[in-house]
Amino acid sequence: SQTIHQWPATLVQPVGSPLSLECTVEGTSNPNLYWYRQAAGRGLQLLFYSVGIGQISSEVPQNLSASRPQDRQFILSSKKLLLSDSGFYLCASTVPGRPNYGYTFGSGTRLTVV
Amino acid sequence: DAKTTQPPSMDCAEGRAANLPCNHSTISGNEYVYWYRQIHSQGPQYIIHGLKNNETNEMASLIITEDRKSSTLILPHATLRDTAVYYCIVRVAGSARQLTFGSGTQLTVLP
Repeated sequence: SQTIHQWPATLVQPVGSPLSLECTVEGTSNPNLYWYRQAAGRGLQLLFYSVGIGQISSEVPQNLSASRPQDRQFILSSKKLLLSDSGFYLCASTVPGRPNYGYTFGSGTRLTVV
Repeated sequence: DAKTTQPPSMDCAEGRAANLPCNHSTISGNEYVYWYRQIHSQGPQYIIHGLKNNETNEMASLIITEDRKSSTLILPHATLRDTAVYYCIVRVAGSARQLTFGSGTQLTVLP
């Protein structure tokens, strides 16, 4: 089964500072990887997904970016954080072509921009 | 992926069965129904999924109507630890396309 490691668990950053959140996946190869954001009391919003190394699809225009330098590594970045970037960020993965593998989620990073 | 509709909140007495409904009237033939739950400040947790037939595992049962336009997640003996937001999602299995998470159902298990 898949395991997702996501860190840090909590982060407080000032407005205008850079951001780097990292996610790594164990237990599978060639996963599809996703970054979601969840505002307080809201559902999950897809930010980026990737079907392979260097392949990134952006779902929502914003000042965030994502990169996939290795098969099982997914990074969410920002050059300058905004107050509106605060939220709960989740990394997720799926196994292509495997219907019994739904999404596996990491434990999340709670980002507070001050 | 098909859109789903769930009630925003439900209460259930501890020890009783919790029945969480979901409508997915536009589901396609190759789309599965997945259920996840999210306990506050944690990542969503997979519960169960199904295509046509009813499914049961150690956590829950999934009842899918014959026309596949709706489903019900059943927690047979709800405990306080089952208090969470429950999401019903339909998607093509193995697809790289995004999961569309709606607002889900806030289930509160009452002592």
